[in-house]
Amino acid sequence: EPEVTQTPSHQVTQMGQEVILRCVPISNHLYFYWYRQILGQKVEFLVSFYNNEISEKSEIFDDQFSVERPDGSNFTLKIRSTKLEDSAMYFCASSEFGGPGVAFFGQGTRLTVV
Amino acid sequence: AQSVAQPEDQVNVAEGNPLTVKCTYSVSGNPYLFWYVQYPNRGLQFLLKYITGDNLVKGSYGFEAEFNKSQTSFHLKKPSALVSDSALYFCAVRPGFNTDKLIFGTGTRLQVFP
Repeated sequence: EPEVTQTPSHQVTQMGQEVILRCVPISNHLYFYWYRQILGQKVEFLVSFYNNEISEKSEIFDDQFSVERPDGSNFTLKIRSTKLEDSAMYFCASSEFGGPGVAFFGQGTRLTVV
Repeated sequence: AQSVAQPEDQVNVAEGNPLTVKCTYSVSGNPYLFWYVQYPNRGLQFLLKYITGDNLVKGSYGFEAEFNKSQTSFHLKKPSALVSDSALYFCAVRPGFNTDKLIFGTGTRLQVFP
């Protein structure tokens, strides 16, 4: 069964450093998303991406964040200068279509900023 | 503000008994509703969705959910619980056709005892 894959599974970085989280969405999907889950809290929407551009972003997704689809298969989330409060589980998701389409999630990347 | 509420942090049920995990939502328009399950160290797995039509929807692993528009609820149910159903369950809503983001509830931990 096709699945969304994320690398790495764990990432530890020093405050102020840049990190790139990587995702390979399901191959025929057109909509891509990043969500995050701070430990013990709810899953929060960060950004959606369609047709090679951001279609929607939350207030969390400030200028420190960027997304890119550098080739036909990868989808990345970059945090330019990490803060302690960026520590969270980051989930990538993809869906075949928007609206009622089901978002399929990866297993997540746990980011720890020290 | 658009929101999803899962009023119970934890639900305990004996194996073989029916289970219900509650979810209510507050969004404008006609939402799309989803249930996801999260096992330890895993991503979010899709269980079922309500888009339109029959208020009772059936999903994976014997789960079903009932959409109640007047009560703005979408409770998850299963007639006979299994120990292997023990996990964290998230209700999510996509508020309408103009957005692709999911708004998640805080999650309910289901514990099924043998």
